[in-house]
Amino acid sequence: DSGVTQTPKHLITATGQRVTLRCSPRSGDLSVYWYQQSLDQGLQFLIQYYNGEERAKGNILERFSAQQFPDLHSELNLSSLELGDSALYFCASSRAGMNTEAFFGQGTRLTVV
Amino acid sequence: GDSVTQMEGPVTLSEEAFLTINCTYTATGYPSLFWYVQYPGEGLQLLLKATKADDKGSNKGFEATYRKETTSFHLEKGSVQVSDSAVYFCALRPTQGGSEKLVFGKGTKLTVNP
Repeated sequence: DSGVTQTPKHLITATGQRVTLRCSPRSGDLSVYWYQQSLDQGLQFLIQYYNGEERAKGNILERFSAQQFPDLHSELNLSSLELGDSALYFCASSRAGMNTEAFFGQGTRLTVV
Repeated sequence: GDSVTQMEGPVTLSEEAFLTINCTYTATGYPSLFWYVQYPGEGLQLLLKATKADDKGSNKGFEATYRKETTSFHLEKGSVQVSDSAVYFCALRPTQGGSEKLVFGKGTKLTVNP
């Protein structure tokens, strides 16, 4: 158990819909990262939050947004869903610092039908 | 930009065989380097890491050495077990840019047969 909790584990929804993925980081970790894992693109960094503030942005679509709340949990919102958004979405957390380990949750498998 | 290239596999070995998974990287400066492992149905777990040139990371019989001159971080294990069957990801964390994000290779699926 990494200490990072993601809910839900599985999500099936229709095209055009909006979903919210939730992540609770390890106790004491201020950084939260979101990654998308798909068969063709591999693991892609989406966005990082540090102590409530956006710190870095990767290949995140405009239809996607995220936030980190005062209790440090984070949510990833995906809207106007397309079939190609079907993927495994991982959250990771870490303490501050370049050499610290990132701990990953078990992921949310999103299927858009 | 920063990138990681690793052998794509899949790799199939017999138990007790020697394993090498190649990983090379492109980055500015001196990134930290990592190997993560993903078992079926699970998230990624850190296997080992190295933070500066010539460092050797090791864990559970796996080893990798940070080679600045060849920009490589190859993963090795002398004798694999069936329980090592998983997908292995090489990753780097850039030292420039102000973010601690990880940049991953595409992963190498390893299957070990008894």
